[in-house]
Amino acid sequence: GAVVSQHPSWVICKSGTSVKIECRSLDFQATTMFWYRQFPKQSLMLMATSNEGSKATYEQGVEKDKFLINHASLTLSTLTVTSAHPEDSSFYICSAPAREAPNTGELFFGEGSRLTVL
Amino acid sequence: ELKVEQNPLFLSMQEGKNYTIYCNYSTTSDRLYWYRQDPGKSLESLFVLLSNGAVKQEGRLMASLDTKARLSTLHITAAVHDLSATYFCAVDPRRTDKLIFGTGTRLQVFP
Repeated sequence: GAVVSQHPSWVICKSGTSVKIECRSLDFQATTMFWYRQFPKQSLMLMATSNEGSKATYEQGVEKDKFLINHASLTLSTLTVTSAHPEDSSFYICSAPAREAPNTGELFFGEGSRLTVL
Repeated sequence: ELKVEQNPLFLSMQEGKNYTIYCNYSTTSDRLYWYRQDPGKSLESLFVLLSNGAVKQEGRLMASLDTKARLSTLHITAAVHDLSATYFCAVDPRRTDKLIFGTGTRLQVFP
């Protein structure tokens, strides 16, 4: 079945630095990918939609200059947290819809990337 | 504002017992998803419900969808310890693959 892979699975960085997280679709093409954020003991919140060949679209309240998204190819989206601060510490998860027939409506999630900002 | 609420938020149940988790949402959606999340892990897909009246079963779990009532249920039959996890429902009201997640239900099954 379709697989979505994220890297790194965890990262620790100092406040003020930038961190890049990759999301890859391994055996299918994804023109659209989604980035979610999950704070401890909370639910998942959609941050942005990554679009291959065009700009990402951000949900209300998400700073686009802080969370840079690049959809470099049909199998890769990257999320860069710029000038990270402790309040950005969270679990970041990407998802991608599989479009092969039959379309089951299935959405595939990456393994998640845990960011800790010191 | 679209809201997706789960009830209960926390459930502690004995092995062998049955229970139901409820997922209510505030706007029309004919797509509903159920996921399981273990501590420190990502989401594991359990069910995808795509129409009113849809019912799916896998092992001790059964999910149903009533789009008119804006309600989905996840029924647990004869719970076992391995089912201990957090369960999320999610809706996709505009069929854009953008999910709105419920509050989550943390399930703990004890002997």
